[in-house]
Amino acid sequence: GAVVSQHPSRVICKSGTSVKIECRSLDFQATTMFWYRQFPKKSLMLMATSNEGSKATYEQGVEKDKFLINHASLTLSTLTVTSAHPEDSSFYICSARDSGQHTEAFFGQGTRLTVV
Amino acid sequence: GQNIDQPTEMTATEGAIVQINCTYQTSGFNGLFWYQQHAGEAPTFLSYNVLDGLEEKGRFSSFLSRSKGYSYLLLKELQMKDSASYLCAVKGAAAGNKLTFGGGTRVLVKP
Repeated sequence: GAVVSQHPSRVICKSGTSVKIECRSLDFQATTMFWYRQFPKKSLMLMATSNEGSKATYEQGVEKDKFLINHASLTLSTLTVTSAHPEDSSFYICSARDSGQHTEAFFGQGTRLTVV
Repeated sequence: GQNIDQPTEMTATEGAIVQINCTYQTSGFNGLFWYQQHAGEAPTFLSYNVLDGLEEKGRFSSFLSRSKGYSYLLLKELQMKDSASYLCAVKGAAAGNKLTFGGGTRVLVKP
C-alpha cells in the first residue's frame, strides 16, 4: 500500500515553544490530508482537513491559531502547535488519501508530543 | 451528524474467532473502514466495504448491511499479535466525505 511518513515520532518541548510536525506522502500525490488527535485509550478525533494550495478546514472547537496547518505541496502537510502547553500533550496522527483513489486513507506513524 | 457505536472491549482465546460489531448512523453513506491499531502506533488499514456483503482477506473478514447500518469484523484463528484496538470508521457525504471513527474495540487475546 501507499506510504505516509510522519516526523518526528516523538518530541518533548517546553511550555511556550512551538513544535512542527511533518506529514509526507512518499509514493502518491495527496491533495487532501487529515490531522487527528488521539488521547490515551480513546479513538481518533479529526482536528482539520488540510487542502493543498488553500486554507485548512478546522473542526468545531479546534483553534486554528493554535494549530497551524500548511499544505504547500501535493506531498507535504505540516502541523505546527504554537505556544504549546501541557494540555496539548497527545498523540497526533496524519492521514492522506491518494488523489487518484477515493477509498482508503493511509496513516502516518504518529507523533507523541509531550509538553513539559 | 454521524454516530458510530462499537463495543469497548472483547476478550478471546488464541486460535478462536472473534466478531466485532459496529453500528452507524450517517447521511450519504460512502463506505465503511476497519483499522487495526496497536498501542502507541498509528492505525493500519484492514478492510473497506461500500456494498452489502462479505469481504474476505485472509484471516480477516468484514461484513456490511447498509439497510441496517451495521458492519462486523471477523477475526479467525486468533493469534497473540492480534491483541490491539480495532477501529470502525464511516465516510459520509454529510460530513464532507471525511472519516468519522468509532471509539474503538480493544481485543485481548489470551493463551
